[in-house]
Amino acid sequence: NAGVTQTPKFRVLKTGQSMTLLCAQDMNHEYMYWYRQDPGMGLRLIHYSVGEGTTAKGEVPDGYNVSRLKKQNFLLGLESAAPSQTSVYFCASSPADEKLFFGSGTQLSVL
Amino acid sequence: DQQVKQNSPSLSVQEGRISILNCDYTNSMFDYFLWYKKYPAEGPTFLISISSIKDKNEDGRFTVFLNKSAKHLSLHIVPSQPGDSAVYFCAARANQGGKLIFGQGTELSVKP
Repeated sequence: NAGVTQTPKFRVLKTGQSMTLLCAQDMNHEYMYWYRQDPGMGLRLIHYSVGEGTTAKGEVPDGYNVSRLKKQNFLLGLESAAPSQTSVYFCASSPADEKLFFGSGTQLSVL
Repeated sequence: DQQVKQNSPSLSVQEGRISILNCDYTNSMFDYFLWYKKYPAEGPTFLISISSIKDKNEDGRFTVFLNKSAKHLSLHIVPSQPGDSAVYFCAARANQGGKLIFGQGTELSVKP
């Protein structure tokens, strides 16, 4: 049982480049989330989805877009990367309750 | 505006002793609270939770206490073990299926 899988695990971008982070879950969960973790800031919610075809903004949505075309996948896009987006990104999923299951993270550096 | 706060970035405890990690929140609408544990290079994993209708929940060596009037919760680990060394995040949500808001995390170091 793979749980929540994030790809890639590491990425280095130049300022202005674009990229997409992929999250896949095999637990048939309705809810999916993207968080970023920064030193001293904890985990901050970027965007989330409460079901296929739906998305909503979290605490820090600016500079990111998301799509949930399939129930098992949740994509996070950076259209024009900035150094402030250097972070560790975590995807999570949950059934329609409180307990989140997290992926192992993506380390992104924007130079 | 940090709704969930963990004011201690780090905590060092001797093996066998009690570890107490604290968390404060400001939103009185929060009704469910969770603790997550995170090892380096891994994603956070669920540890223990508590509903606002309770003031204590216990699971083995881990106990979470909730003081609603003080808007404060704490995680007690007894006895602490070196394998407990990790970053601990508290989290809270305001309604069923609502988004989880996390604190900044506390790095626990348990020394042999």
